Amino acid sequence: SQQGEEDPQALSIQEGENATMNCSYKTSINNLQWYRQNSGRGLVHLILIRSNEREKHSGRLRVTLDTSKKSSSLLITASRAADTASYFCATGAYTGGFKTIFGAGTRLFVKA
Amino acid sequence: EPEVTQTPSHQVTQMGQEVILRCVPISNHLYFYWYRQILGQKVEFLVSFYNNEISEKSEIFDDQFSVERPDGSNFTLKIRSTKLEDSAMYFCASRAGQNTGELFFGEGSRLTVL
Repeated sequence: SQQGEEDPQALSIQEGENATMNCSYKTSINNLQWYRQNSGRGLVHLILIRSNEREKHSGRLRVTLDTSKKSSSLLITASRAADTASYFCATGAYTGGFKTIFGAGTRLFVKA
Repeated sequence: EPEVTQTPSHQVTQMGQEVILRCVPISNHLYFYWYRQILGQKVEFLVSFYNNEISEKSEIFDDQFSVERPDGSNFTLKIRSTKLEDSAMYFCASRAGQNTGELFFGEGSRLTVL
């Protein structure tokens, strides 16, 4: 399936440390995105990387994409307590219409 | 900043009742989506909508579900006869255009079926 799967399912780190989350998927994609969700709230788009890109940065976020391995990683540097949230990778592809499919997410807890 | 708005924020209904969840996507966006998230679980794709018709739907989106864009601003999800397992958070999202991938989500409508 197109669906991304994140690893680890949960991650607990100290403030100031880096957090790395991984995502794997199964089919060809047009882009891969990362979203953040605070508990019970809507998802917020963080960053998008296209299938012909290998790395992208946005502030403290760094995303890599390896289409040969069908995997991506999200690195959050110098984490803060406010980064505590669930992070989802989502793959975008044309399958008739354009569909974005989400993985199960990584729950990140940053301890102050 | 433009945002996607959803109403109601929470609805409690009896099994078998019809429910309509409403969304106002960002005004110049062309693509509209419904997703659902059962508590603590993954965000599941339900349906995509473009040019006043369904582009794609998942296996979850069976005959009990329908979507409509009745007036050019609202985008509604109707569940005809709710089941207990329909209890979930329902998120509406919109996307600007063909060459943009970013989805803008509303805050969700929590549906509780008793």
